[in-house]
Amino acid sequence: DTGVSQDPRHKITKRGQNVTFRCDPISEHNRLYWYRQTLGQGPEFLTYFQNEAQLEKSRLLSDRFSAERPKGSFSTLEIQRTEQGDSAMYLCASSEQGGAFFGQGTRLTVV
Amino acid sequence: GQNIDQPTEMTATEGAIVQINCTYQTSGFNGLFWYQQHAGEAPTFLSYNVLDGLEEKGRFSSFLSRSKGYSYLLLKELQMKDSASYLCAVIWSTSGTYKYIFGTGTRLKVLA
Repeated sequence: DTGVSQDPRHKITKRGQNVTFRCDPISEHNRLYWYRQTLGQGPEFLTYFQNEAQLEKSRLLSDRFSAERPKGSFSTLEIQRTEQGDSAMYLCASSEQGGAFFGQGTRLTVV
Repeated sequence: GQNIDQPTEMTATEGAIVQINCTYQTSGFNGLFWYQQHAGEAPTFLSYNVLDGLEEKGRFSSFLSRSKGYSYLLLKELQMKDSASYLCAVIWSTSGTYKYIFGTGTRLKVLA
């Protein structure tokens, strides 16, 4: 499968714990995006990478959130000291020119 | 700010035609996309418009007017499996960065 893959698909964590999600984009895509989506809403932009450079970060992203793309290939999104409000679907997408292609997402539940 | 507006819900009958509208602010515009999203699944890419006019792809067509900040997605010969959310997304480009901004989505219910 050469699509965007995300791991894990589901994560349940206790409030206050740290979590890390991984995204493997389509191999020739140099742009990588992280989004968050809650029920009944469209995806909200979190951050964007061009190769390994993080070029934009949403103001939605508090300092508990950090993302990396160390070699311009896969990316990780870490949430520290999780809160119940962090419960959402975290989507990764990649693109070259044209439309972005999404992974299946990681559904995070903070209890 | 960057706003995208689309209706929250629409209902149509199997076999009919439905048009889902989307309006957006124009500054920094670099293309418009439509995505389909079934409940609990990731969005899947449907269409891309960067120039004015109509793009047709099977039962789906998408139209863009950049001067009006307006697009629509037209679905013909509706099928039950077309029941999903349809997301309008605009790509904004500023200072060499590209950002997709999504609307809240239009939930389409197709009735038998």
